[in-house]
Amino acid sequence: QSVLTQPPSVSGAPGQRVTIPCTGSSSNIGPNYDVHWYQQLPGIAPKLLIYANDNRPSGVPDRFSASKSGTSASLAITGLQAEDEADYYCQSYDSSLNGLFVFGTGTKVTVL
Amino acid sequence: EVQLVQSGAEVKKPGDSLKISCKGSGYRFTSYWIGWVRQMPGKGLEWMGIIYPGDSDTRYSPSFQGQVTISADKSINTAYLEWSSLKASDTAIYYCARKDYWNELRYWGQGTLVTVSS
Repeated sequence: QSVLTQPPSVSGAPGQRVTIPCTGSSSNIGPNYDVHWYQQLPGIAPKLLIYANDNRPSGVPDRFSASKSGTSASLAITGLQAEDEADYYCQSYDSSLNGLFVFGTGTKVTVL
Repeated sequence: EVQLVQSGAEVKKPGDSLKISCKGSGYRFTSYWIGWVRQMPGKGLEWMGIIYPGDSDTRYSPSFQGQVTISADKSINTAYLEWSSLKASDTAIYYCARKDYWNELRYWGQGTLVTVSS
């Protein structure tokens, strides 16, 4: 069902910078629909990390940033910490789906 | 404080019916869409559908249309996800979440684990 593609995994050493791409199409990210990002720690419900392409909710560290360009988006984590080891998902609206929304395939971030 | 509290874990047999709930508090329940998300064991998030409790307008992802029913009772600030005949493949954690202004899912329930096994 996912029409937003993410790499299955990325890894980095503590303190490093990692990026997670999210590739969409002309029916979702492309036509100016916003992209949102979620962090899911093991065994816990997802948490909103970034909304409307590049905005952090209150309480989210500024180590997390995101951007969007064309039919793709990207999440960056700078100064990687052990507590950042989690699954990350992008999400957008899709005009081809009656159900409105779509998630990315998810990326597991491993801190080496 | 906005909260979405879901009903507890369920263990069912194939063919059973089931209705799980998501109770909202700390905000005007009728003014925000509530969505449902499936997470199968070891897998990613899947968008199932969404309801506007104010008028019960409901939309389903094509993958889930006809497989589940989403409803809401605004008198008790509760949204529901229902199956008429469960299958083993319905085993998953189901989350409800509130859709906010930018179409982000800002608040999430704690999840309900549904296990379907003979």
